[in-house]
Amino acid sequence: QSALTQPPSASGSPGQSVTISCTGTSSDVGGYNYVSWYRQHPGKAPKLMIYDVTKRPSGVPDRFSGSKSGNTASLTVSGLQAEDEATYYCTSYAGSNHYVFGTGTEVTVL
Amino acid sequence: QVQLVQSGAEVKRPGASVTVSCKASGYTFINYYMHWVRQAPGQGLEWMGIINPSNGRSTYAQNFQDRVTMTRDTSTSTVYMELSSLRSEDTAMYYCARDMSGYEIAYWGQGTLVTVSS
Repeated sequence: QSALTQPPSASGSPGQSVTISCTGTSSDVGGYNYVSWYRQHPGKAPKLMIYDVTKRPSGVPDRFSGSKSGNTASLTVSGLQAEDEATYYCTSYAGSNHYVFGTGTEVTVL
Repeated sequence: QVQLVQSGAEVKRPGASVTVSCKASGYTFINYYMHWVRQAPGQGLEWMGIINPSNGRSTYAQNFQDRVTMTRDTSTSTVYMELSSLRSEDTAMYYCARDMSGYEIAYWGQGTLVTVSS
């Protein structure tokens, strides 16, 4: 199972939006509506930001949104804030109790 | 509240095995699958496998199929991850993590640093 492909980096100014892509195959991202997104600050455990492609866990601001088209899922962070500077990972269910993570995208708030 | 408390850091020689434990509390242990995820220094997250605490059945990522064993002890609400034939590339932070209600990972342990060095 190959890692899902994410751009290595993305950036935006405070208040702007940034969109991160996550490309897989029809066996993972394209085959299931079970894509999740995580934010990880250095030295910390990841935090769930989006699940089931579009859903936000309780406590996650609506500045975070997710979508999917075909084999590519996307995370959009609107109204960028300093705390959004982190590395973001996607993950997808891949069938038969298997999961696969994305390669990670480092977001910089300029 | 859901808590996952992992065992402490380990230093191992190449070729040895390591077992990391993860004690769960704050919920009904057998009702939720547990994942194991690792992260090498400066690298991304890597899914290792998953165990169903209800029946003990595990599914492993292909990369670890031959070297990892996940088990559980329902009497202590603890899951274990054993990785054998360690090599320097296995130096990483190892996390246990639980889903929220389905196919997402919502709760994470604090991580266990495993260092493989001669």
